[in-house]
Amino acid sequence: GESVGLHLPTLSVQEGDNSIINCAYSNSASDYFIWYKQESGKGPQFIIDIRSNMDKRQGQRVTVLLNKTVKHLSLQIAATQPGDSAVYFCAENRGYSSASKIIFGSGTRLSIRP
Amino acid sequence: DSGVTQTPKHLITATGQRVTLRCSPRSGDLSVYWYQQSLDQGLQFLIQYYNGEERAKGNILERFSAQQFPDLHSELNLSSLELGDSALYFCASSPQGSGYGYTFGSGTRLTVV
Repeated sequence: GESVGLHLPTLSVQEGDNSIINCAYSNSASDYFIWYKQESGKGPQFIIDIRSNMDKRQGQRVTVLLNKTVKHLSLQIAATQPGDSAVYFCAENRGYSSASKIIFGSGTRLSIRP
Repeated sequence: DSGVTQTPKHLITATGQRVTLRCSPRSGDLSVYWYQQSLDQGLQFLIQYYNGEERAKGNILERFSAQQFPDLHSELNLSSLELGDSALYFCASSPQGSGYGYTFGSGTRLTVV
């Protein structure tokens, strides 16, 4: 099915360290990318987004980097905390106008070591 | 609370049966999307509606159908259920049918026995 690819299925990080989650996408025409966090039994929660005319965007403790040349997206989480444990999905907007849809990658599970 | 309401939260049914999942979008949103998430998998896009009309379709089985009503709520109908249909089904809504402002509900967990 349609999907955005991910480099690693799991990531274990020491509490307080920075986390970097990577993602590759295939559709060079995509103009909008989003990172979602999903905790067990809950719906995906928006973290941060970036449009294709940008290469970096920062939020609170999170940064998204976009490299259109190699079609690569990354999510950086600063000072990782236990509450950051979740599955992280990169997603890509495909379509146009009112017929757009968000296509998700397979996810990276982030676990935090105390 | 995201503002997107899905009912029921849990559903257990037998193979061969038919179920209906319901989604009420966030107030003011015109578009509704349905996704399926099997155990430890990503979210697979099923179908999108915008202001009552189907606008985009993913890998939705012929046994599945959906509609969006004049009050903008949507229903996903799953028929002739199989064990493999057991999954979390999420609904999302957005204001104008673009990818911006997407908000997800908390999902319906369907178990087929």
